[in-house]
Amino acid sequence: NAGVTQTPKFRVLKTGQSMTLLCAQDMNHEYMYWYRQDPGMGLRLIHYSVGEGTTAKGEVPDGYNVSRLKKQNFLLGLESAAPSQTSVYFCASSWGDTQYFGPGTRLTVL
Amino acid sequence: GIQVEQSPPDLILQEGANSTLRCNFSDSVNNLQWFHQNPWGQLINLFYIPSGTKQNGRLSATTVATERYSLLYISSSQTTDSGVYFCAVRMGQKVTFGTGTKLQVIP
Repeated sequence: NAGVTQTPKFRVLKTGQSMTLLCAQDMNHEYMYWYRQDPGMGLRLIHYSVGEGTTAKGEVPDGYNVSRLKKQNFLLGLESAAPSQTSVYFCASSWGDTQYFGPGTRLTVL
Repeated sequence: GIQVEQSPPDLILQEGANSTLRCNFSDSVNNLQWFHQNPWGQLINLFYIPSGTKQNGRLSATTVATERYSLLYISSSQTTDSGVYFCAVRMGQKVTFGTGTKLQVIP
């Protein structure tokens, strides 16, 4: 099992550009999450999904959209990137109460 | 929303020393997890512990849900224990992380 994987690992964007981050899990988990981590801070929940076709807002959803068209994939989109979205993005999945995290995507917006 | 506070924010230990990390939370929660973020950024599950005590090798954790705190004990620390320790609590499907305790274990 690969667990939770994230694509890409690194990305540099210019202000106003768009991009999609892909999270994939092979554990058949129902729940998936997107977080961002800023320097010196814990993780903050952006959006989450409790099953295929469902999404919900977390703590800091503004500027992001998500889709869960397939159970194993959870996509995070930035329609018009801003420097404030420079961060490390983590995806997680869970079945029950234990979350398993991907390796992260480091995004820089210039 | 729920507040999660961790203490201390920073900790330096000599290899072989013991330590206790604390996590306080402001409301009743469905569950609580402890994570270790290693120096390469990877988040590793340590414990799922909504209440009671668990042990895994040199690590153990205790959560007293009625008093809204959890403790993580590290015994005989090793340099590989270095990194940031987070607690995370869940109410419904929303998860809130604390700001972490940064641990450095020196040889």
